[in-house]
Amino acid sequence: AQTVTQSQPEMSVQEAETVTLSCTYDTSESNYYLFWYKQPPSRQMILVIRQEAYKQQNATENRFSVNFQKAAKSFSLKISDSQLGDTAMYFCAFSDNAGNNRKLIWGLGTSLAVNP
Amino acid sequence: EAQVTQNPRYLITVTGKKLTVTCSQNMNHEYMSWYRQDPGLGLRQIYYSMNVEVTDKGDVPEGYKVSRKEKRNFPLILESPSPNQTSLYFCASSLLAGGTAGELFFGEGSRLTVL
Repeated sequence: AQTVTQSQPEMSVQEAETVTLSCTYDTSESNYYLFWYKQPPSRQMILVIRQEAYKQQNATENRFSVNFQKAAKSFSLKISDSQLGDTAMYFCAFSDNAGNNRKLIWGLGTSLAVNP
Repeated sequence: EAQVTQNPRYLITVTGKKLTVTCSQNMNHEYMSWYRQDPGLGLRQIYYSMNVEVTDKGDVPEGYKVSRKEKRNFPLILESPSPNQTSLYFCASSLLAGGTAGELFFGEGSRLTVL
């Protein structure tokens, strides 16, 4: 079965510093997609960044970047220059897109607190 | 503004009283899905729909029904709610584009409590 593991239930970082959130996954598929979603206190899930497994280049979106290690099945999220608005739950998710169902397999999340 | 709208945002009900949580998207997305989020269990898919009149079960469909009569709407129906359906529910939609996994757009969530 495909699984996603986030080993850090809670983390904190000082404003303007850099933090890395860990995610590992398990799959026998060779082509798949990985995502980081953010859930702020308002509860709405927002996509932070997406990585396609066949692309070797790590995805980057402004202050957010990933370290995708396919062989190790690792997909960590780095947040640079952390801001107070980054305080949220962060979920790592996996999709193999089987049958075009957009079902995501979710990790249990990492609660990130950015401190002033 | 592109959005997925869920109603109600909060609801307290009693066991056995039928309820419907509505979901509407204005992005002309083909794909829509319902998830529930529970502490320690993450998000689990309830039902999904790849187009009008096409729906299928997710991982935890028991006790729920859905319908997709129009592209924009995908209501979640609890015919006879039970306390174990107390949860935070999310509706999500996505543009179906070939085999590419597109971004899921989520509603703001509906907090349901069944007494």
